[in-house]
Amino acid sequence: NAGVTQTPKFQVLKTGQSMTLQCAQDMNHEYMSWYRQDPGMGLRLIHYSVGAGITDQGEVPNGYNVSRSTTEDFPLRLLSAAPSQTSVYFCASSYGTGLSPLHFGNGTRLTVT
Amino acid sequence: DAKTTQPNSMESNEEEPVHLPCNHSTISGTDYIHWYRQLPSQGPEYVIHGLTSNVNNRMASLAIAEDRKSSTLILHRATLRDAAVYYCILRGQYGQNFVFGPGTRLSVLP
Repeated sequence: NAGVTQTPKFQVLKTGQSMTLQCAQDMNHEYMSWYRQDPGMGLRLIHYSVGAGITDQGEVPNGYNVSRSTTEDFPLRLLSAAPSQTSVYFCASSYGTGLSPLHFGNGTRLTVT
Repeated sequence: DAKTTQPNSMESNEEEPVHLPCNHSTISGTDYIHWYRQLPSQGPEYVIHGLTSNVNNRMASLAIAEDRKSSTLILHRATLRDAAVYYCILRGQYGQNFVFGPGTRLSVLP
């Protein structure tokens, strides 16, 4: 059972470039979310989805887009990368809301120069 | 979601019990108390959650104060592998999102 898989593990971008961080889960989870974690800080929610075709903004959505065309996949798009987006990005999923525990991927470390 | 307060860091000796405190004085009656931990270079992982009664599982125990304004995560015998950042989070039964604070960084000394 793979759980939550994030690719790539590492990425370096130049300012202004775009890219997509991939997230896939094989647990048939309805809820998926993206967090970013800056050094020495907790995780901040970027975007989340409660099911295919439904997405919503979290705490820090600016500069990021998401879509949810299937239950399994929840990609995060950086439209025009900025140095302030240098961070570690985590994708998480759960069966639903409320009491279901979150399952996290191992993260993507992104550096924007 | 209500806010939680945790110490920035704690130390423990290997094979000794560890009590990680969390204050949540503004907790509402329907908020559950969740604990996650994040090992170095990994995503957070679920530890335990509870509402009013104390809870036990294979990883830890959760002791909840009678007034629910504080709770304590108990690791019964710390190992080096327990060195991590521990997050205490409140979430309503039908709440959608977890709000992570800075957590407590636990160091385990051999």
